[in-house]
Amino acid sequence: GAVVSQHPSRVICKSGTSVKIECRSLDFQATTMFWYRQFPKQSLMLMATSNEGSKATYEQGVEKDKFLINHASLTLSTLTVTSAHPEDSSFYICSARDQFGISGVGETQYFGPGTRLLVL
Amino acid sequence: LAKTTQPISMDSYEGQEVNITCSHNNIATNDYITWYQQFPSQGPRFIIQGYKTKVTNEVASLFIPADRKSSTLSLPRVSLSDTAVYYCLVGDMRLAGTYKYIFGTGTRLKVLA
Repeated sequence: GAVVSQHPSRVICKSGTSVKIECRSLDFQATTMFWYRQFPKQSLMLMATSNEGSKATYEQGVEKDKFLINHASLTLSTLTVTSAHPEDSSFYICSARDQFGISGVGETQYFGPGTRLLVL
Repeated sequence: LAKTTQPISMDSYEGQEVNITCSHNNIATNDYITWYQQFPSQGPRFIIQGYKTKVTNEVASLFIPADRKSSTLSLPRVSLSDTAVYYCLVGDMRLAGTYKYIFGTGTRLKVLA
């Protein structure tokens, strides 16, 4: 099946620094990628939709100046957490939309392994 | 956006068949139904997707009644390694620019020895 990778898998940073997380679709091209955040024991919360070659669409309550998203190519989207604070510590997960889906049944979204961010 | 409702948790024993039902009363005509499995500290893993009737793959079956207002994920002969959270999602990903998955609570399945 389609594979999505994330890098790094975990990162620890000091408060006030910026952290960049990469999301790559390894064996398919993705015009659309999504970024989620997940706190312990909770469900995934969509943060933003990343479209190749255009500005990301942010969900209500997500600060676009704090969570910078760049979808520079059909296989790469990046999320930069700027001026990170301890409350930004979370599990960040990306996904990529495979337009060709499963045997033409429908389009499918594949998820990366996630990035654990800890801000001290 | 279709909202889904699933049981919050389920327990089962190894070797049993597990059926998890998801309710999606407001499913739209073009929406597909997709199920994901998530282990702690990992991203969700695609399990199965369907539109109507029954779909089967090497790991699960998906049953969708004619009105499509619900769906049932069937896991045959579960093992301890199937302990995870299972999410049911509905949507039409072809709505580029407007489509998005909204995750519900999911079902926390615990398989006991």
